[in-house]
Amino acid sequence: EADIYQTPRYLVIGTGKKITLECSQTMGHDKMYWYQQDPGMELHLIHYSYGVNSTEKGDLSSESTVSRIRTEHFPLTLESARPSHTSQYLCASSDRGSWANVLTFGAGSRLTVL
Amino acid sequence: DQQVKQNSPSLSVQEGRISILNCDYTNSMFDYFLWYKKYPAEGPTFLISISSIKDKNEDGRFTVFLNKSAKHLSLHIVPSQPGDSAVYFCAASAPRDDKIIFGKGTRLHILP
Repeated sequence: EADIYQTPRYLVIGTGKKITLECSQTMGHDKMYWYQQDPGMELHLIHYSYGVNSTEKGDLSSESTVSRIRTEHFPLTLESARPSHTSQYLCASSDRGSWANVLTFGAGSRLTVL
Repeated sequence: DQQVKQNSPSLSVQEGRISILNCDYTNSMFDYFLWYKKYPAEGPTFLISISSIKDKNEDGRFTVFLNKSAKHLSLHIVPSQPGDSAVYFCAASAPRDDKIIFGKGTRLHILP
């Protein structure tokens, strides 16, 4: 029943490595989002997309980049990971036609940079 | 500056009693409010929402109340059950804005 998938769920890597967090959804949603969350803190929007070839930066500045080549796929990339990037990254999607803008979230990717 | 505030980091409630989670907001443009529930190692899941044209919305054991003049909303869970133990996030959005603004969450513990 899970309609939005994130991989990897957990990742521990060394400083300077390039990483890509994958996010795919099967609901045909136009809008997709990446949020970053630290324990006990709010979810911060770092990237979003209205559809194919559309990407926007969110409210929280992030060194990551995203791409939207296909409707169902919204990967997030860090070219050179640093310990400050350690966090949980949550992908979400919603239907453009949904006035309520209710988000469906993936299970998250927890990144630890040593 | 936080636009959505959940001032109680945690709350403990006896099983069977009422749980009340509070949320305040500062942006008067917000017109739609949502509550999400999050278990450990999972993403948040949508629980209930309310439009600014209403002051109450009920879904089973869950009721959300909105006080626009006070810029305050609350989520009532009655009766509380062990499976309700989770982190609850309050969220809000403004018209024609695709961004959803989240609070820091309140961790609810239901005690046996």
